[in-house]
Amino acid sequence: QKEVEQDPGPLSVPEGAIVSLNCTYSNSAFQYFMWYRQYSRKGPELLMYTYSSGNKEDGRFTAQVDKSSKYISLFIRDSQPSDSATYLCAMSGTSGSRLTFGEGTQLTVNP
Amino acid sequence: NAGVTQTPKFQVLKTGQSMTLQCAQDMNHNSMYWYRQDPGMGLRLIYYSASEGTTDKGEVPNGYNVSRLNKREFSLRLESAAPSQTSVYFCASSGWQNQETQYFGPGTRLLVL
Repeated sequence: QKEVEQDPGPLSVPEGAIVSLNCTYSNSAFQYFMWYRQYSRKGPELLMYTYSSGNKEDGRFTAQVDKSSKYISLFIRDSQPSDSATYLCAMSGTSGSRLTFGEGTQLTVNP
Repeated sequence: NAGVTQTPKFQVLKTGQSMTLQCAQDMNHNSMYWYRQDPGMGLRLIYYSASEGTTDKGEVPNGYNVSRLNKREFSLRLESAAPSQTSVYFCASSGWQNQETQYFGPGTRLLVL
């Protein structure tokens, strides 16, 4: 069983929809939670970074961490065609330890 | 400021051939990483270098070697390529104080026939 599980999709939504992307994990030592965005044929880029539990908001993006359920989410409000990409969750234990990535969810926002 | 650069962008090899993937960063980062990305498997760490002069194995190191040439450059070598090494390879770097924020290069697509 993988340490980090992420539904690969694909997920297709109309422009303006609210998108929910999720990951579950099994390692209770994870404390740092990241979301990376990867456009087609490009390298991943960091989108959101959260330490421990709680919410973090940045513009149209909100990251949530529920450590009791070992579940993290990324919400995209008012989704745009430019949000079409693969979204990868990533996690690590102590600061400086290696990242463990989810498989990535492919998202398409249709105009 | 180019960030992380990788060469080549695309390569076709025959089984048994060798090649070196090059990576350089201009952000003065201490840590550098090599990942491979395969469908259904996500990003998997091959090797990493926490600082100049040190390298460590990641999750899938077999069939690969690395060299941290200096602070800027980190190369990945395939001594005898196999079809199972067909993949997209990404190099990344991060600062010592914030290793969760990794900056990725554009990737090298490798096809081994």
